[in-house]
Amino acid sequence: NAGVTQTPKFQVLKTGQSMTLQCAQDMNHNSMYWYRQDPGMGLRLIYYSASEGTTDKGEVPNGYNVSRLNKREFSLRLESAAPSQTSVYFCAGQGAGSSYNEQFFGPGTRLTVL
Amino acid sequence: QKEVEQNSGPLSVPEGAIASLNCTYSDRGSQSFFWYRQYSGKSPELIMFIYSNGDKEDGRFTAQLNKASQYVSLLIRDSQPSDSATYLCAAKNTGGFKTIFGAGTRLFVKA
Repeated sequence: NAGVTQTPKFQVLKTGQSMTLQCAQDMNHNSMYWYRQDPGMGLRLIYYSASEGTTDKGEVPNGYNVSRLNKREFSLRLESAAPSQTSVYFCAGQGAGSSYNEQFFGPGTRLTVL
Repeated sequence: QKEVEQNSGPLSVPEGAIASLNCTYSDRGSQSFFWYRQYSGKSPELIMFIYSNGDKEDGRFTAQLNKASQYVSLLIRDSQPSDSATYLCAAKNTGGFKTIFGAGTRLFVKA
């Protein structure tokens, strides 16, 4: 049981390059989330998927797109990276049953855009 | 903008003391409240959640909720150096899909 996994762990991009951050969970979560974390800013929601086949914008969606490929996988794409997107990105799944409201986080992707 | 506010700290306490972490929230529709701990370079992990007014205890941790004052707190008794981390307060509407996080309070426990 791997929980929530993210790839890659680290990435350096040049301005204008594109990339996709991958997230997968084996915890049977219906809901999945992408956050970015910047110093002093806490976790800010980029996009979320309440269930397979649906996605919605969060607080800071500009410059990002997402795909909920199936129940397990939720990817985040940067089409044209900008230095302002330098951040740590966390994927999370929302638990079911008695832990319905708890979110389980992946290990994070540290992204630097030069 | 629905917000969760925390003092960024750092909060420094000696080993064995009680650490008190505080949080306020602006959305009166918030029903569930969470405390996550985040070690440097790691991802957040849940340590406590609370839904009802009053206190909830789990080992050395006590979460307190006052919905009238829109105030949530976390007490850590017998603080240990291993408790040194950033503590994130979070709020969620029941049945909603979004959780709003505070910016976190850094706690240092001095040996």
